[in-house]
Amino acid sequence: EVQLVQSGADVKKPGESLKISCKASGYRFTSYWIGWVRQMPGKGLEWMGIIWPGDSDTAYSPSFQGQVTISADKSISTAYLQWSSLKASDSAMYYCARHGRHCNISTCLDYNGMDVWGQGTTVLVSS
Amino acid sequence: AIQLTQSPSSLSASVGDRVTITCRVNQGISSDLAWYQQKPGKPPKLLIYDASTLETGVPSRFSGSGSGTEFTFTISSLQPEDFATYYCQQFNSYPHYSFGQGTKLE
Repeated sequence: EVQLVQSGADVKKPGESLKISCKASGYRFTSYWIGWVRQMPGKGLEWMGIIWPGDSDTAYSPSFQGQVTISADKSISTAYLQWSSLKASDSAMYYCARHGRHCNISTCLDYNGMDVWGQGTTVLVSS
Repeated sequence: AIQLTQSPSSLSASVGDRVTITCRVNQGISSDLAWYQQKPGKPPKLLIYDASTLETGVPSRFSGSGSGTEFTFTISSLQPEDFATYYCQQFNSYPHYSFGQGTKLE
């Protein structure tokens, strides 16, 4: 079964650092883009950025560039989202998701949809 | 930046109703659009990709259409389990795959 399992909820103080994880199973981790999405309480979905775990090629939405770091460890099929100095406004639910792809014998082609989602990680930043 | 505007923002409907949600984009994005359903406390679920292709396992009462700047998502006959929030997302502008603001169906 294809799954993305995220780390558990975390409570931090402003200024602290945090790294949350997204462990993939059931598919070739290095062959699919992984994206991160923020959802603040009672609000909509916000796209943060994306990583190709095969070579850790990473790109960020302008709103999140410089605010977070996306990384991956292909040896353990895990993607990460980290903050070096949290703010109260970082309190939210964070989801990882896989970019869908169709593959045949010889080639793979991304399609326009995030087909597998993690269960979400709640981050609460409070003094 | 590509902006997606969903309408309506909320929608009141009854079981059996036909429901339509529109996603308008401020520049042409071909068919690079997906639709998701999200229920409270759950992650989003992919329903439609490439604007009109039904994800495997998704009931056929869901459909999507459109290209360019205007897209439509339809539920042909609303079921009790369909009450949720729906989002569109564009994939035309790498790496900023922005979402619409959501439509709450109640």
